[in-house]
Amino acid sequence: GENVEQHPSTLSVQEGDSAVIKCTYSDSASNYFPWYKQELGKGPQLIIDIRSNVGEKKDQRIAVTLNKTAKHFSLHITETQPEDSAVYFCAAPPGGNAGNMLTFGGGTRLMVKP
Amino acid sequence: KAGVTQTPRYLIKTRGQQVTLSCSPISGHRSVSWYQQTPGQGLQFLFEYFSETQRNKGNFPGRFSGRQFSNSRSEMNVSTLELGDSALYLCASSPGLFQETQYFGPGTRLLVL
Repeated sequence: GENVEQHPSTLSVQEGDSAVIKCTYSDSASNYFPWYKQELGKGPQLIIDIRSNVGEKKDQRIAVTLNKTAKHFSLHITETQPEDSAVYFCAAPPGGNAGNMLTFGGGTRLMVKP
Repeated sequence: KAGVTQTPRYLIKTRGQQVTLSCSPISGHRSVSWYQQTPGQGLQFLFEYFSETQRNKGNFPGRFSGRQFSNSRSEMNVSTLELGDSALYLCASSPGLFQETQYFGPGTRLLVL
């Protein structure tokens, strides 16, 4: 099955700095890579996703890059703000016809200091 | 469009009891997946339903079961509760079946005493 590893587990940055979170996956047949943000007491919220036919996708201050050869993808947040503080999860589906199931990374707790 | 809703939001049970959790997907979504979230194991896939049929199942014991109704609403059941079943149970819905975006509900927090 799919194995997803996420680093770092915690990340502290100063407001206005950039934050980068990296994930690796094991199943070369995976072709969909979402990122979720989870705030305290809430369910995960999709913030950006990328499919394997593109190498980068950007949405305002958030971007995701994908390297299929190396089997890793990264989340980039620029100009961080205190409201970006949350736990971030990457995920990947197992290859083949496995429906919508996702294997999640262990999460990164991002703290943005004002 | 209303998001994914889950009921109840909080639940306290004792060992040996059983529990049923409910999930209403986003209108028009036909796939419902369930995940368990714990501090130790993180987010783990339980099962997925599409058109009232279980399509995928994670590595959980048979005490965990689910079903989906014709209106796409889903329930999951845990029988003979154990202390280790204490977790946040999350439901996610998707429009279709294959690698589509999943939208999560707020979860049901289950505490087993």
